[in-house]
Amino acid sequence: DAEITQSPRHKITETGRQVTLACHQTWNHNNMFWYRQDLGHGLRLIHYSYGVQDTNKGEVSDGYSVSRSNTEDLPLTLESAASSQTSVYFCASGTSGSYEQYFGPGTRLTVT
Amino acid sequence: GEDVEQSLFLSVREGDSSVINCTYTDSSSTYLYWYKQEPGAGLQLLTYIFSNMDMKQDQRLTVLLNKKDKHLSLRIADTQTGDSAIYFCAESRDNAGNMLTFGGGTRLMVKP
Repeated sequence: DAEITQSPRHKITETGRQVTLACHQTWNHNNMFWYRQDLGHGLRLIHYSYGVQDTNKGEVSDGYSVSRSNTEDLPLTLESAASSQTSVYFCASGTSGSYEQYFGPGTRLTVT
Repeated sequence: GEDVEQSLFLSVREGDSSVINCTYTDSSSTYLYWYKQEPGAGLQLLTYIFSNMDMKQDQRLTVLLNKKDKHLSLRIADTQTGDSAIYFCAESRDNAGNMLTFGGGTRLMVKP
């Protein structure tokens, strides 16, 4: 069955380290999104992509980057992790023109 | 303030109806959504409504949209313990429904 996966599911890292969170989908969706979820804020959009080689900044993109070298993957990189980036990160994907986004199970990141 | 607002918590008895409310600020919203998040999981789309509709019913779920007041509600009939979760209201402003803005989520607790 087609799916969307995230790895790792849990990560503890130190301030200043570079961290990459993986997102992989097998639906062949063009659109992929990264969100962070913090108490009281719902989900906030970090970066998104509408296709290979396309990346765009979302609402809270500072300190994060993404790259889209193929359809299936959109890794999220924290260049220099900060304690303010402790959060739960969700990846989502969807087809162009579809109203629905399919979410991965999330990655809980703790920056100490 | 937040673009999409929800109350934080709702408690109901099993078998009762639940009504979860949401207000949004952008009159150009094209789609409005309700997502459900169970503990430790990603978000799952429950239902959605186009901005030119007033009501949508889907089995136990009824969505009401008041565009004048920018108010969206989700009614769950015959609420079950399995409905206990966090419910997120979201809006999109592009025609493809890609760019989502989420509310902070309402935690629904169903007591047996």
